[in-house]
Amino acid sequence: AQSVTQLGSHVSVSEGALVLLRCNYSSSVPPYLFWYVQYPNQGLQLLLKYTSAATLVKGINGFEAEFKKSETSFHLTKPSAHMSDAAEYFCAVSGYIFGTGTRLKVLA
Amino acid sequence: GAGVSQSPSNKVTEKGKDVELRCDPISGHTALYWYRQSLGQGLEFLIYFQGNSAPDKSGLPSDRFSAERTGGSVSTLTIQRTQQEDSAVYLCASSLGSTRSYEQYFGPGTRLTVT
Repeated sequence: AQSVTQLGSHVSVSEGALVLLRCNYSSSVPPYLFWYVQYPNQGLQLLLKYTSAATLVKGINGFEAEFKKSETSFHLTKPSAHMSDAAEYFCAVSGYIFGTGTRLKVLA
Repeated sequence: GAGVSQSPSNKVTEKGKDVELRCDPISGHTALYWYRQSLGQGLEFLIYFQGNSAPDKSGLPSDRFSAERTGGSVSTLTIQRTQQEDSAVYLCASSLGSTRSYEQYFGPGTRLTVT
């Protein structure tokens, strides 16, 4: 069985501060991992995905995530938050197992 | 090219009525997924299709929920005898294949309100 846990349903950061959104997974087979973003009143879109080619994955809008097998983690980071990053972020494992989401608020 | 489309965008229905939600996937995408999104609940997987077959429908919450896909394209999700707890946004997504590595492309959703 596979599952995903996102720690923190709400995260607030100041504009310009580091963004760190946490995702831990459970999988009995090598996982494929995804981060999706849902901007207000918009559909979900892919931010980035891990498919075993490289442990550090770069995505759109300056986001990246690092696959750490020993920690079963795939945390999403961005060095400097922008107001436009305010959205809900979902981690997913192997296609269609999604976490409960983390809503990111960026403070001016 | 055209993305995933869903209709209607909003649906208000009375408790006990049946509703049908439609999804048009991206042309050429063989896999199609249905999810339910409720406040604080994240994305709840309902069912997925590979072609016209549904290898995994484990997420359908009750026998009031059913889905079909015809011609390897359009899919309908039917909810019979709707209940207030069925109120949510229903999302459809499609992907090039159903193997675990493919990313999904999402539609805008259908917001269902049961009164």
